[in-house]
Amino acid sequence: EPEVTQTPSHQVTQMGQEVILRCVPISNHLYFYWYRQILGQKVEFLVSFYNNEISEKSEIFDDQFSVERPDGSNFTLKIRSTKLEDSAMYFCASSASGKGANTGELFFGEGSRLTVL
Amino acid sequence: LAKTTQPISMDSYEGQEVNITCSHNNIATNDYITWYQQFPSQGPRFIIQGYKTKVTNEVASLFIPADRKSSTLSLPRVSLSDTAVYYCLLNYGGSQGNLIFGKGTKLSVKP
Repeated sequence: EPEVTQTPSHQVTQMGQEVILRCVPISNHLYFYWYRQILGQKVEFLVSFYNNEISEKSEIFDDQFSVERPDGSNFTLKIRSTKLEDSAMYFCASSASGKGANTGELFFGEGSRLTVL
Repeated sequence: LAKTTQPISMDSYEGQEVNITCSHNNIATNDYITWYQQFPSQGPRFIIQGYKTKVTNEVASLFIPADRKSSTLSLPRVSLSDTAVYYCLLNYGGSQGNLIFGKGTKLSVKP
């Protein structure tokens, strides 16, 4: 069964450092997403990405965050200057189609745990 | 945004049928009802989606009454591996791009 893969599985960084989280979406999917989940809290939408540009973003996704699809397979989330409150599990997801009627399920990766010290 | 309400937790035993009900009194005409499952330290996983009446797939059934103000996820004969958090979500037009997750229902299946 095709799956979304994420690296690293766990990253520890110092406050103020830049972090890049990587994702390989399912190969024929066109829509890509990042969500995050702070320990013990809800899964929160960050950003959606289609056709090499951001489709939608939440209030959480401020200027410290950026996304990129540098090649045909990877989808990355960059946090420019990490803060303590960025510590969370970050989930990448992809779908075959995006906004519109009955677009089908999102496939989530296993997550990248980010710990900011 | 229409809100969903579901029990915080439920307990069950192996082999039992589990029904988790979700209330969504202010559901919009174009909203679909979708359920996801999440195991600890894993990403959510799609279970089922429906608009009205009954939908069934290989893992669950979703019952939606005519007024659509609630829905019930039914898991037949649960096993220990069904212990997880189950989320009821509303998504406009069935689009699952920007899902709004609530706190979900933590289901604990005991031997």
